[in-house]
Amino acid sequence: GQQVMQIPQYQHVQEGEDFTTYCNSSTTLSNIQWYKQRPGGHPVFLIQLVKSGEVKKQKRLTFQFGEAKKNSSLHITATQTTDVGTYFCAGREDNYGQNFVFGPGTRLSVLP
Amino acid sequence: DSGVTQTPKHLITATGQRVTLRCSPRSGDLSVYWYQQSLDQGLQFLIHYYNGEERAKGNILERFSAQQFPDLHSELNLSSLELGDSALYFCASSPLPRAGELFFGEGSRLTVL
Repeated sequence: GQQVMQIPQYQHVQEGEDFTTYCNSSTTLSNIQWYKQRPGGHPVFLIQLVKSGEVKKQKRLTFQFGEAKKNSSLHITATQTTDVGTYFCAGREDNYGQNFVFGPGTRLSVLP
Repeated sequence: DSGVTQTPKHLITATGQRVTLRCSPRSGDLSVYWYQQSLDQGLQFLIHYYNGEERAKGNILERFSAQQFPDLHSELNLSSLELGDSALYFCASSPLPRAGELFFGEGSRLTVL
């Protein structure tokens, strides 16, 4: 079955440093989503990518979908303490897929 | 506030018992998804309902069952509970029949002693 992996599992950065998390799927994806879960909170939708090679930006966050639609990345520029949390990617295998398969997440710590 | 309501927020019970978790989706959302999140783990998909019908099953144990009612709220029933069932159970809703943006509730934290 479809597997979605993320690296790194944990990342500690100093405030102001950049951060990147990578997501890889064992199969080609029709689209991919990113969620953020703050400590003690619930996942919150960030973005969905659909097209091969797509790049989307949200302020300091840049999301990319690979050309082969099997990988994705989330890059945060100049991290802030408010960026702390776990970032999950979730991939859907095909356009008829009923659900997204979540990766294990990357937990980001930002030291002030 | 996502608009998805889950009850109870916390539940402590003993092994062998049965519990029911409840989810009210956002107004107008017809899809309800259930996920299990164990300590420091990712989100494991359990089951998806759309407008009362089961649409997809994930890694849901036979001891677990769910349903979506005509008013669109959903319940997840967990029976013969084991220590390993201790986890955070999230419900998420979406307006679409196929997975779109998911709106998660705050979760129900189950502790089995």
